[in-house]
Amino acid sequence: DIQMTQSPSSLPASLGERVTISCRASQGISNNLNWYQQKPDGTIKPLIYYTSNLQSGVPSRFSGSGSGTDYSLTISSLEPEDFAMYYCQQDASFPPTFGAGTKLELK
Amino acid sequence: EVQLVESGGGLVQPGRSLKLSCAASGFTFSNYYMAWVRQAPKKGLEWVATISTSGSRTYYPDSVKGRFTISRDNAKSSLYLQMNSLKSEDTATYYCARGLGPAGYFDFWGPGTMVTVSS
Repeated sequence: DIQMTQSPSSLPASLGERVTISCRASQGISNNLNWYQQKPDGTIKPLIYYTSNLQSGVPSRFSGSGSGTDYSLTISSLEPEDFAMYYCQQDASFPPTFGAGTKLELK
Repeated sequence: EVQLVESGGGLVQPGRSLKLSCAASGFTFSNYYMAWVRQAPKKGLEWVATISTSGSRTYYPDSVKGRFTISRDNAKSSLYLQMNSLKSEDTATYYCARGLGPAGYFDFWGPGTMVTVSS
């Protein structure tokens, strides 16, 4: 199975700040990397697919990049609704696997 | 509007069975792979099962293979997860998700249903 390692596990940040969350795969995943946001009530919202493609309706302050084994999610200017958990997921091969998550919290 | 709504969760004793359902609307159900993903309390996301558009192919991780069965009824736009021989480690919120392909990018999720396995 492909292991996904996210960092940091916790990220204190301020409104308006630019933040980056990293995700590293245990082997190359050819850009088959997706990002999800989970709110405290459990609601899961897809954000980005295939490394850098925004899901419909996702604000442009979210962006994704990367290649090979290393990927990142960037939020250019934090809004109040962005404080949540973020998960990366690879769909390059079975089984699809998720990172352990990054908790983005208000500093 | 795409909607996925899970049901069937609850408290069940170890070794017993439970069947989850997911009602889909707002899209052509039979055109999409569907999946179940779970989240144990205070833990991350874990893929549980995927089913092909026709239902002819199913996929499971080793942790549930032989105990869980995913199925679908395209006429009813419904997805199911039959869970047998439940263990305490199956305690989780179970999410129904629409998948783009077998290994998933999951582009829509339901709100989840909680399953607690305890005596």
